Amino acid sequence: EAQVTQNPRYLITVTGKKLTVTCSQNMNHEYMSWYRQDPGLGLRQIYYSMNVEVTDKGDVPEGYKVSRKEKRNFPLILESPSPNQTSLYFCASSLGGTGKAFFGQGTRLTVV
Amino acid sequence: DQQVKQNSPSLSVQEGRISILNCDYTNSMFDYFLWYKKYPAEGPTFLISISSIKDKNEDGRFTVFLNKSAKHLSLHIVPSQPGDSAVYFCAASDRYGGSQGNLIFGKGTKLSVKP
Repeated sequence: EAQVTQNPRYLITVTGKKLTVTCSQNMNHEYMSWYRQDPGLGLRQIYYSMNVEVTDKGDVPEGYKVSRKEKRNFPLILESPSPNQTSLYFCASSLGGTGKAFFGQGTRLTVV
Repeated sequence: DQQVKQNSPSLSVQEGRISILNCDYTNSMFDYFLWYKKYPAEGPTFLISISSIKDKNEDGRFTVFLNKSAKHLSLHIVPSQPGDSAVYFCAASDRYGGSQGNLIFGKGTKLSVKP
């Protein structure tokens, strides 16, 4: 089954404690991205990657890092999480240039 | 500056009637437009799309209309059903530009279909 898998689904952490949210896709898509969803703000892109070793900033990259060492994986790293990064995060993948993205189930992150 | 705007945060419709969700965009380089549907506790799922070379695309109860001169698109759901109650996101893409299809999303419209 074609899917995008994020882990964990829920995470509560403390300010400053490094964390990683994993994302994996099994569709051999070149394009992957991370979004955060906040009330009244919709989906805002954090980072995207057009292929292995190619990443670029989205609209709200501050406080986040990503890496794309393999085509299927695109982890999101918060080196020093802060409460304003409390949000619902989505990973997505698509064939390059098609625009039709498939989303993961989401990761609800709370930073206290 | 928002490139994709959904100016109605919410919409309430009676079951069986038409739901019309609107979306405006500012970037004339966008050439592909999509609608996503999102239920609580789930990721957005693709609903329907339209290329800029068309002005209409239909898929069952869902029709998307594109007016390029007005930089406006709309999603029509006929007839609306209670199961259509969800948040609908409009998204746009410049498929052949430097970002190769990076999706820009609107803020979403919450549709409630009342039985």
